[in-house]
Amino acid sequence: SQTIHQWPATLVQPVGSPLSLECTVEGTSNPNLYWYRQAAGRGLQLLFYSVGIGQISSEVPQNLSASRPQDRQFILSSKKLLLSDSGFYLCACHLGAGAYNEQFFGPGTRLTVL
Amino acid sequence: AQSVTQLDSQVPVFEEAPVELRCNYSSSVSVYLFWYVQYPNQGLQLLLKYLSGSTLVKGINGFEAEFNKSQTSFHLRKPSVHISDTAEYFCAVTAAGGGADGLTFGKGTHLIIQP
Repeated sequence: SQTIHQWPATLVQPVGSPLSLECTVEGTSNPNLYWYRQAAGRGLQLLFYSVGIGQISSEVPQNLSASRPQDRQFILSSKKLLLSDSGFYLCACHLGAGAYNEQFFGPGTRLTVL
Repeated sequence: AQSVTQLDSQVPVFEEAPVELRCNYSSSVSVYLFWYVQYPNQGLQLLLKYLSGSTLVKGINGFEAEFNKSQTSFHLRKPSVHISDTAEYFCAVTAAGGGADGLTFGKGTHLIIQP
């Protein structure tokens, strides 16, 4: 079965500081990977998705970037954090086609920008 | 593109009473539909999904949902709720057949179970 690890679990950062959130997946190969952000009162928003190493698609313009250096590793980054970057960041993987067509989510990272 | 509307931001229900959480979607193509549950400070857990076939879908924890194409709805129901069902519930949609497409979520409904 699939397992998604995200770290850190919580993070408090000052405005203007850099950011690196990591997501790793076990139990599957060549997964589609996703970063979502959950901001207060705004539901979940898709930020990036990746279908393979080095392949990143961005859904919305923003202060963040993503990279996929390895098949099962997905990283979310920022050079300078904004207050509006605060939120709960969730990594997800797509489990495949047919009856298993669904997304599986990690435990999330709570980011507070002060 | 798809969109999802969850009209109720909060639904208070007494324990052992039935509940329905509403979800409506908009899409110009066929869709897959999902309900996820989120407990405080945790990730999302899949409750159930509609991909094709029977429009009545049964999921975990006694939940079920019915896909209504004419009403573009996918309401979630449970005949008798328990205190442990207190959580945030999200409806989500994606284009059918899309392997890479991400999910479009509603804003969520907070289910509050009162003893």
